[in-house]
Amino acid sequence: AQTVTQSQPEMSVQEAETVTLSCTYDTSESDYYLFWYKQPPSRQMILVIRQEAYKQQNATENRFSVNFQKAAKSFSLKISDSQLGDAAMYFCAYKGMNYGGSQGNLIFGKGTKLSVKP
Amino acid sequence: GAVVSQHPSRVICKSGTSVKIECRSLDFQATTMFWYRQFPKQSLMLMATSNEGSKATYEQGVEKDKFLINHASLTLSTLTVTSAHPEDSSFYICSAGSGSGFNTEAFFGQGTRLTVV
Repeated sequence: AQTVTQSQPEMSVQEAETVTLSCTYDTSESDYYLFWYKQPPSRQMILVIRQEAYKQQNATENRFSVNFQKAAKSFSLKISDSQLGDAAMYFCAYKGMNYGGSQGNLIFGKGTKLSVKP
Repeated sequence: GAVVSQHPSRVICKSGTSVKIECRSLDFQATTMFWYRQFPKQSLMLMATSNEGSKATYEQGVEKDKFLINHASLTLSTLTVTSAHPEDSSFYICSAGSGSGFNTEAFFGQGTRLTVV
């Protein structure tokens, strides 16, 4: 079975600085998706960034980028120029490919609570 | 992106009563929806997979007779917590997938905070 591990229960960053959140996973599959989701106090899950395992290039979305190391099964999230609105729980998630067309469920890590100091 | 609407956002019920939570995909059809449960300061745990037109698939340890799932159309799945007890108090979140295969993304409802008193 696949597992996702986030080893940092809490992280703190100064506003405008850069922070990296760690995530490792375990799988025997060769193709899969990886995601970072943000959950603010409202508890709405918001997709931050996604990475397809078959793509070697690291995904980027504005201030958010990932360092995807497939061999090491590592998928860290870097937040640049941190803003107060970035404060939230961040969940790393894994999803296997579904070639049959149905959408498989996400497997989540335990989350990292990010605080942003003004 | 696609929109998933979950209702109600908050509900308080008495012990022993049943509560229904709705999850709707507003602008796309979802053959599969997922129901998660999230305890305070913890991660999302998959409860069951809701399949349109067929029975839901429950994760190990989830009581299918307590958590009834119905997916009668391509845009609506419901979760009914039957004979609710205080230990059922939690945050419940649904998600639905858009696309298939290589082009797939999960969209989440706003969640439902259930309090059983």
